[in-house]
Amino acid sequence: GESVGLHLPTLSVQEGDNSIINCAYSNSASDYFIWYKQESGKGPQFIIDIRSNMDKRQGQRVTVLLNKTVKHLSLQIAATQPGDSAVYFCAEGGGGADGLTFGKGTHLIIQP
Amino acid sequence: DAGVIQSPRHEVTEMGQEVTLRCKPISGHDYLFWYRQTMMRGLELLIYFNNNVPIDDSGMPEDRFSAKMPNASFSTLKIQPSEPRDSAVYFCASTQGLAKNIQYFGAGTRLSVL
Repeated sequence: GESVGLHLPTLSVQEGDNSIINCAYSNSASDYFIWYKQESGKGPQFIIDIRSNMDKRQGQRVTVLLNKTVKHLSLQIAATQPGDSAVYFCAEGGGGADGLTFGKGTHLIIQP
Repeated sequence: DAGVIQSPRHEVTEMGQEVTLRCKPISGHDYLFWYRQTMMRGLELLIYFNNNVPIDDSGMPEDRFSAKMPNASFSTLKIQPSEPRDSAVYFCASTQGLAKNIQYFGAGTRLSVL
């Protein structure tokens, strides 16, 4: 079946460095792709999304890249801060479906 | 707005007991989703409603699970009878139809079935 998955379960980076979290997807019919952040004991929180007709979108300190050729999605976080420590999920939606399909998540750890 | 409100935050029960999880979506949102999160399977969509009507319940694992949305401000997810494998964190999320990519999640209910 089609699914959204992540390459790495844990990513450790130094404070101040840039972080890159990757995601592979397989449903080419999805209309949009989203990144969510989940802190311990909380529900997922929307970070940024990108439509399938785009290849890059920037937010505040975050950038999402979409490569439809290899079905790859990435989240770049600039100047990583301690508050960025969390589990990051990619998700896909649209293509006729109202719900989201989430990947397993990547745990981002910030080293002081 | 206080966001999506779920209750209880934690629930511990014994196998065979009935469990009811509650959710109050954000006012004005017309979509409501129930998800289950486990370490093994991640976040899974169980069921969702549009304008209080169940649209897709294909993610509900068994007949032991049921969900209702009697009005626009309240939904329940019931498990009867509960089993240890139902132990998970259950999330409710809501959104507006024009922005279904941005779902607002509650803090979740951590269910432990002994």
